[in-house]
Amino acid sequence: DQQVKQNSPSLSVQEGRISILNCDYTNSMFDYFLWYKKYPAEGPTFLISISSIKDKNEDGRFTVFLNKSAKHLSLHIVPSQPGDSAVYFCAASGAFNDYKLSFGAGTTVTVRA
Amino acid sequence: NAGVTQTPKFQVLKTGQSMTLQCAQDMNHNSMYWYRQDPGMGLRLIYYSASEGTTDKGEVPNGYNVSRLNKREFSLRLESAAPSQTSVYFCASRDGSHTGELFFGEGSRLTVL
Repeated sequence: DQQVKQNSPSLSVQEGRISILNCDYTNSMFDYFLWYKKYPAEGPTFLISISSIKDKNEDGRFTVFLNKSAKHLSLHIVPSQPGDSAVYFCAASGAFNDYKLSFGAGTTVTVRA
Repeated sequence: NAGVTQTPKFQVLKTGQSMTLQCAQDMNHNSMYWYRQDPGMGLRLIYYSASEGTTDKGEVPNGYNVSRLNKREFSLRLESAAPSQTSVYFCASRDGSHTGELFFGEGSRLTVL
């Protein structure tokens, strides 16, 4: 049973607009959340993270929002660029499982010119 | 910067054959992981090694064995390959900090006929 869920398999957005990726989790004991980005034929690379003591973390064009009561996080990319076209994985971890990462199924983002 | 190196990148096996996926990291990380990626399933943890000399099962360990040969190397062995093990395999390492990011290799695509 997946503890981290990304319910949108794909997202298409126009260049310059905002991309919003959503992620839900079921285990309230997760206390650290991450987003990874993956290009075809490459391994995932770390993008941004957030601790459960925060509700927002920003890094350039990327912002992650955490709503603990709803067990929901989102990744905002503003503005979206063609190089952002990739698969984005949401991941979560916690002390209860020795901080091993549980990943969502991924969302494929396509940025249209 | 080599980072995490996996070999081979591609392999085709017949059902019942055995093989070993090799992984090496040059970042002096304590923890190493093996994941598999399947469509619609995200990344699932097969085995991990928190430190040299220790290994533990992840979510989907059946049909696999691992060896933490030394601090740098962590291999994954399929003793008797099955078509259900057709997947892309990723090795990853982390410095041991619970908030440390995972660094992934480029992946090994395995097909079992």
